[in-house]
Amino acid sequence: SQQGEEDPQALSIQEGENATMNCSYKTSINNLQWYRQNSGRGLVHLILIRSNEREKHSGRLRVTLDTSKKSSSLLITASRAADTASYFCATRAGTASKLTFGTGTRLQVTL
Amino acid sequence: DGGITQSPKYLFRKEGQNVTLSCEQNLNHDAMYWYRQDPGQGLRLIYYSQIVNDFQKGDIAEGYSVSREKKESFPLTVTSAQKNPTAFYLCASSAEFGLGVLNTEAFFGQGTRLTVV
Repeated sequence: SQQGEEDPQALSIQEGENATMNCSYKTSINNLQWYRQNSGRGLVHLILIRSNEREKHSGRLRVTLDTSKKSSSLLITASRAADTASYFCATRAGTASKLTFGTGTRLQVTL
Repeated sequence: DGGITQSPKYLFRKEGQNVTLSCEQNLNHDAMYWYRQDPGQGLRLIYYSQIVNDFQKGDIAEGYSVSREKKESFPLTVTSAQKNPTAFYLCASSAEFGLGVLNTEAFFGQGTRLTVV
């Protein structure tokens, strides 16, 4: 079962614009992570936010977490063509190592 | 150079044949994972292992088997019982055991694309 659902499924923007992706999940979590996947490649970790944190920044990335709504958002500011990829949220819950991924958002950044 | 290596990159399987996908890591990570990704879809967990000689079924374990005899290695066998094995398979690892709180990221291999011919 997919723990997370990303929204939108696909997003197309122009270079320089901001991109916002949302993730909703079903159960209580220990942390939520965002990953990026270029076409046909493995995933690369972007940022991790713990359940007791509300916001985190890393370079052009800003992640928020609302545990009361069971949702998170990833904001990429001043997007570049190189940001074109699929973005996934993933959650850890309980004491197990299990890392459960959402369905992903495909981001296309055009020049 | 630390990392996680999957091989082969492309694999072709005949109907009724078992195949084994290799995953090796030199990151000294305790936990390892296998995911399946279908075109345009998210990742679904097949099996995961928190420590050597131990593994658990994920959400879609039927038709797959794994072993964890060494910390560095977590091979996945796609058996003939898996009726629709054509997919992109991703292996990952993360430093888990003994850290108390599971606030660690996962590192992924570059994937194996399996096609049934």
